[in-house]
Amino acid sequence: QQQVKQSPQSLIVQKGGISIINCAYENTAFDYFPWYQQFPGKGPALLIAIRPDVSEKKEGRFTISFNKSAKQFSLHIMDSQPGDSATYFCAASFEGGGNKLTFGTGTQLKVEL
Amino acid sequence: GAVVSQHPSRVICKSGTSVKIECRSLDFQATTMFWYRQFPKQSLMLMATSNEGSKATYEQGVEKDKFLINHASLTLSTLTVTSAHPEDSSFYICSAKRGNTIYFGEGSWLTVV
Repeated sequence: QQQVKQSPQSLIVQKGGISIINCAYENTAFDYFPWYQQFPGKGPALLIAIRPDVSEKKEGRFTISFNKSAKQFSLHIMDSQPGDSATYFCAASFEGGGNKLTFGTGTQLKVEL
Repeated sequence: GAVVSQHPSRVICKSGTSVKIECRSLDFQATTMFWYRQFPKQSLMLMATSNEGSKATYEQGVEKDKFLINHASLTLSTLTVTSAHPEDSSFYICSAKRGNTIYFGEGSWLTVV
């Protein structure tokens, strides 16, 4: 019920390409879906987040697509750059659960020149 | 800038000793903070929820007596790893909620030798 499944585990994209990472969840009580970016040896940094009342949210080159009926959400990184190379985690939480984040397993993204 | 600060960023301690890690919310009050543990190339695992003025809530499988959490003020939570052993070596990360967003600290690397 609390699990968030993330894929792919790793991803290699050419510079300028689109990086797509997918997540699926089971618990329909989840009402907050953030994406975090983590560089080696650093804490996760919030990238973008969405709530279930919208199907898409865009901030700069980053877009979250949300499909409530399928219980899936994805992160799209447009015009991927080498500086985007990092590990990305999706997560989910709900207020009734104390706002505890349940994390996906992470995707290691490498953007090649 | 950072909204959650952790200290120390790196610490090495001898087996059998205790080590304390601090997590501070900067410029905001956090009644609830969260402590995570992360092994290399793995996701974040929630250890406990730190509640200001009351006992921490531990996740299943986390030893309360080994990982002591104190949330004595609205801006400070501490994690003390007691009688540390090499298997406790890990990356420890805290987070705090400000408004509707959960922010993470930079993490603390613990190495037990």
